[in-house]
Amino acid sequence: GAVVSQHPSRVICKSGTSVKIECRSLDFQATTMFWYRQFPKQSLMLMATSNEGSKATYEQGVEKDKFLINHASLTLSTLTVTSAHPEDSSFYICSARVGSLGAYEQYFGPGTRLTVT
Amino acid sequence: AQSVTQPDIHITVSEGASLELRCNYSYGATPYLFWYVQSPGQGLQLLLKYFSGDTLVQGIKGFEAEFKRSQSSFNLRKPSVHWSDAAEYFCAVLNTGGFKTIFGAGTRLFVKA
Repeated sequence: GAVVSQHPSRVICKSGTSVKIECRSLDFQATTMFWYRQFPKQSLMLMATSNEGSKATYEQGVEKDKFLINHASLTLSTLTVTSAHPEDSSFYICSARVGSLGAYEQYFGPGTRLTVT
Repeated sequence: AQSVTQPDIHITVSEGASLELRCNYSYGATPYLFWYVQSPGQGLQLLLKYFSGDTLVQGIKGFEAEFKRSQSSFNLRKPSVHWSDAAEYFCAVLNTGGFKTIFGAGTRLFVKA
């Protein structure tokens, strides 16, 4: 099946610094990628949807200037957490979708554990 | 607005016993429904999906789910649980327009020997 990778799998950074997380579709092209945030023992919360070559669409309550998303190619999307603070510590998961409604598949990356100290 | 409810935060079953995880959805039209599994430190893996047709859907790893429109439910079942099935299970629905996947809160499955 299709594989979505994320890098890094874990990152620890100091408060005030920025962190970039990469999401790649390894063997397929994804026109749409999604970024989720998952708090411990909770469900996935959609942060934003990105389409290749266009600006990301952010969910209500998600600061677009804090969580910068770039979808530069059909196989790569990046999430940059700018000026990170401890409350940004979380598990970030990306997902890539292919196909059309009724026949699409959504594949998830393994996630990135961000810890801000 | 569409929503998904998983009433059970966690469930414990004995290995070899049958399993049913509950999922209820709120949606006006025919929903597109999914079950995903997440093992610790892993990404989500699709177990099965329902788009249309036969209301009993077969998935991977011996799982199945039944869509019941009258009950707005899409419960996941497995006749005999294995220790490796211990994980978090998420029910999900596509929103109107089919652009976003809305997840339930998840059910943690514990398997005891």
